[in-house]
Amino acid sequence: NAGVTQTPKFRVLKTGQSMTLLCAQDMNHEYMYWYRQDPGMGLRLIHYSVGEGTTAKGEVPDGYNVSRLKKQNFLLGLESAAPSQTSVYFCASSYATATYGYTFGSGTRLTVV
Amino acid sequence: AQSVTQPDIHITVSEGASLELRCNYSYGATPYLFWYVQSPGQGLQLLLKYFSGDTLVQGIKGFEAEFKRSQSSFNLRKPSVHWSDAAEYFCAVASGNEKLTFGTGTRLTIIP
Repeated sequence: NAGVTQTPKFRVLKTGQSMTLLCAQDMNHEYMYWYRQDPGMGLRLIHYSVGEGTTAKGEVPDGYNVSRLKKQNFLLGLESAAPSQTSVYFCASSYATATYGYTFGSGTRLTVV
Repeated sequence: AQSVTQPDIHITVSEGASLELRCNYSYGATPYLFWYVQSPGQGLQLLLKYFSGDTLVQGIKGFEAEFKRSQSSFNLRKPSVHWSDAAEYFCAVASGNEKLTFGTGTRLTIIP
């Protein structure tokens, strides 16, 4: 019973490098989300998807791109990493609307030097 | 716009004592409200949720929360805390159907 799986769990990038974070869920959930968590700021929504092939911007989308080509996967890309993107990134999914609540992954700790 | 306020950044409680974590929300319609817990180095786990009916909601791990519309509050309570309850707690409100808006969290420390 995997739930929501995030890879990698840790990563160190140099400024200007690119990378992709992968989120996979095996619960047949429709909605998927990417949040970032920073001390004292709670969780801030980066992008989300309400179904396969759809994406939408959240609260802090700049510097990130996403894709949802398959229902079970939601990818978060950083094209040119900046130190301000040092954070812990969480993926979450919801059965249908957000009113069902989220299931979270265990997070990816990203450091940009 | 919807918002959630958790006024207490950090709370310290003795093991065995009661606990109340505060949450205030701003939302025009009947809210869907949630409490999540995050243990160190882990993701968030759902404790309980409210969407209608009885205003006192029971959750996992012995937690409960009470919805008070007149005060726009959804406070989390536990009669007797255990050392394993040390964690960060987040309140959230569903912003329409598409996403949750989270508070900034309350860190709970348990002292022996």
